[in-house]
Amino acid sequence: GENVEQHPSTLSVQEGDSAVIKCTYSDSASNYFPWYKQELGKRPQLIIDIRSNVGEKKDQRIAVTLNKTAKHFSLHITETQPEDSAVYFCAATPYSSASKIIFGSGTRLSIRP
Amino acid sequence: SAVISQKPSRDICQRGTSLTIQCQVDSQVTMMFWYRQQPGQSLTLIATANQGSEATYESGFVIDKFPISRPNLTFSTLTVSNMSPEDSSIYLCSVGTRTEAFFGQGTRLTVV
Repeated sequence: GENVEQHPSTLSVQEGDSAVIKCTYSDSASNYFPWYKQELGKRPQLIIDIRSNVGEKKDQRIAVTLNKTAKHFSLHITETQPEDSAVYFCAATPYSSASKIIFGSGTRLSIRP
Repeated sequence: SAVISQKPSRDICQRGTSLTIQCQVDSQVTMMFWYRQQPGQSLTLIATANQGSEATYESGFVIDKFPISRPNLTFSTLTVSNMSPEDSSIYLCSVGTRTEAFFGQGTRLTVV
């Protein structure tokens, strides 16, 4: 089955700087890669996703890149703000968003004022 | 989109007892998923619940411990049986639409 690895486990950046979180996956059949943000005590919320037919996707300060050959995908947050502090999870699934999703281990992002 | 109502939101249970968690979706979905999130950890898939058939369990999870029901396309239950303190976790149900997966608000279970 699918295995998703995520690094780093914790990340602290200065407000205004960029943050990068990296993930690898094992199942070459995976073709949908969502990223979730989870604030303390709340459910995971989708922030961006990418499908295997594109290499990059951007939404305002958030971007995701995908390298299918290397089975790597990354989340980039630019101009970080205090409200970006949360736990971020990458995930992968071999079918679609309606299928079971396998999560990475999570990255706790802290934004220093 | 999909709106998921999950209950109870939290409970404190005695060891050896069982708790049933309910998940109601506002639209019909083929598959529903149950996850466990232990304190400070990621989400681990317990099982996939299909309407009209037995649930499919992931490695490390068994039906006797986590029986699941799926009586129709909008509802599912997960029971945590014969609980021990190690079962203290947040349990979340999830459904997927064509574009996105959605999560219930979770059930915070504490076993004492």
